[in-house]
Amino acid sequence: KNQVEQSPQSLIILEGKNCTLQCNYTVSPFSNLRWYKQDTGRGPVSLTIMTFSENTKSNGRYTATLDADTKQSSLHITASQLSDSASYICVVSGVAGNNRKLIWGLGTSLAVNP
Amino acid sequence: ETGVTQTPRHLVMGMTNKKSLKCEQHLGHNAMYWYKQSAKKPLELMFVYSLEERVENNSVPSRFSPECPNSSHLFLHLHTLQPEDSALYLCASSQARVSYEQYFGPGTRLTVT
Repeated sequence: KNQVEQSPQSLIILEGKNCTLQCNYTVSPFSNLRWYKQDTGRGPVSLTIMTFSENTKSNGRYTATLDADTKQSSLHITASQLSDSASYICVVSGVAGNNRKLIWGLGTSLAVNP
Repeated sequence: ETGVTQTPRHLVMGMTNKKSLKCEQHLGHNAMYWYKQSAKKPLELMFVYSLEERVENNSVPSRFSPECPNSSHLFLHLHTLQPEDSALYLCASSQARVSYEQYFGPGTRLTVT
């Protein structure tokens, strides 16, 4: 069964600190992997999209890595800010026949405290 | 703002009511989606429309009825809902189906009493 698992489930850090969120997946065949940020009461907003040939991609203070061999991805947040408090969701796009399917993780809830 | 708007933002309805959720995208996309987001569950894809034609319906109960009159508008008609239907309903759009980046609206928080 195709799955996307994220860890930790929740995380609390102090403002200014760095953190790393993990995503492991079993989706195969694999097309691409995305990280979304979802603020409370809002819709998800895309941070990065990576194909199997990309190892790392940055978006400001957010850096995503991908190891397609081990089926692992991480999202590193540098110099965290209070506005980084949100849920971070890993989404993997697989292929089923002629259709592409998005498999959503449960997300990691991040709280950045002053 | 992502270019996708949803109304209403909050809705409380009884089990015998009929209501509709509205979504509008201003991005020139040709695919639109309805998702359900419940606590402690991943996003669940409900319906996909591509070029105004429904191309996917993921075993959603008939009490949810989508409508896509044109490529910019998407509705979700609700009737005789159950309390377990209470959730955040998200609309999204993309340039083409699934493989392209999806842009989400802010969602409608639905409570069924």
